Amino acid sequence: KQEVTQIPAALSVPEGENLVLNCSFTDSAIYNLQWFRQDPGKGLTSLLLIQSSQREQTSGRLNASLDKSSGRSTLYIAASQPGDSATYLCAVRFVTGRRALTFGSGTRLQVQP
Amino acid sequence: DAGVIQSPRHEVTEMGQEVTLRCKPISGHDYLFWYRQTMMRGLELLIYFNNNVPIDDSGMPEDRFSAKMPNASFSTLKIQPSEPRDSAVYFCASSSDRGFEKLFFGSGTQLSVL
Repeated sequence: KQEVTQIPAALSVPEGENLVLNCSFTDSAIYNLQWFRQDPGKGLTSLLLIQSSQREQTSGRLNASLDKSSGRSTLYIAASQPGDSATYLCAVRFVTGRRALTFGSGTRLQVQP
Repeated sequence: DAGVIQSPRHEVTEMGQEVTLRCKPISGHDYLFWYRQTMMRGLELLIYFNNNVPIDDSGMPEDRFSAKMPNASFSTLKIQPSEPRDSAVYFCASSSDRGFEKLFFGSGTQLSVL
């Protein structure tokens, strides 16, 4: 079964810290991987999309890496701010099986001012 | 573009009633997805369409759930009859087929079945 796992489930850090969120997936045959942000009571916003041929993507203070062979991705947030507080979800589009994105359960991030 | 538009934003209904959720995808997008989010199960794919045709409905919980996409700009998810365990946030999302691009989500419909 194709699964996506995120660790930790929750994380609390003081403002200004650099942090890493982890995502692992069970099948290395993927088209792409996306990181999303979800604020309470809101929809999901796509942050970064990494195609299977890429190693990383950057947007501002965010950097996502992809190691397809080991089935891992990380989302690095530099100099965290209280406004970064949200749930971050990782989603994978596998080559075989269901073509739609399979989501992890998310990491709930709290950045303390 | 206004993004993916869902209605209603909130729906409260009694068990046994019919519920219809609506979605307007981003213009030009070929794919439309319906997801359900709960605390226990996270985000689950219910069904998705490509060019208005249902491609994978294996995530639809049971026969009480049905989805249609009569044209490229409109889709509905219907639950009949509704049950308390259907209470969840239902999201619609759309994407383009060009190079497996990003998925864009609507704001969701918070459904409460009493």
